[in-house]
Amino acid sequence: ETGVTQSPTHLIKTRGQQVTLRCSSQSGHNTVSWYQQALGQGPQFIFQYYREEENGRGNFPPRFSGLQFPNYSSELNVNALELDDSALYLCASSPHQETQYFGPGTRLLVL
Amino acid sequence: GEDVEQSLFLSVREGDSSVINCTYTDSSSTYLYWYKQEPGAGLQLLTYIFSNMDMKQDQRLTVLLNKKDKHLSLRIADTQTGDSAIYFCAEKPKGGATNKLIFGTGTLLAVQP
Repeated sequence: ETGVTQSPTHLIKTRGQQVTLRCSSQSGHNTVSWYQQALGQGPQFIFQYYREEENGRGNFPPRFSGLQFPNYSSELNVNALELDDSALYLCASSPHQETQYFGPGTRLLVL
Repeated sequence: GEDVEQSLFLSVREGDSSVINCTYTDSSSTYLYWYKQEPGAGLQLLTYIFSNMDMKQDQRLTVLLNKKDKHLSLRIADTQTGDSAIYFCAEKPKGGATNKLIFGTGTLLAVQP
């Protein structure tokens, strides 16, 4: 049990739609990161937030955006969904630089 | 560049030892990690090693790091059927986003009873 929760567990959208995924981490975990895991692949870093500001980004377009809130919850927003956005989206929170604890993920299917 | 490679599949018998291997390219990596993923689940942190260490042991798990060859391995002693899962190696590059991890494609470990 990592103390990191994500919602919803599964989601189906159609191309062009927008989606918001949510994550709640433990108290004191100031950094939250989001990853995309396509089927059969390892997770790919999307971005991270520290004290409510984005402070690192992977190779993802601007239609992937996020928010972090003072209550240790965060959101991942994806606009103009494409078929290739179908994946497992993982949220991870960190109490310090050494470790990250992952949530169970949200599985997104884009039709 | 940042790249992590793993073999795709490993099959062992229950009770045997499993060794999962990983190579990485970034010599400035600060930490290296092993995560476990069971079907339909998120990632479970198994263990990690700081880059200035050669070995770390944690109960049935032993991590070996050969920094010269950029090679990381995870040995699981007395492998059980519950160890069947996908194992991901990950590195944390120095610089950039503080918590960015680079993952391999995962090794599927199948434990035969």
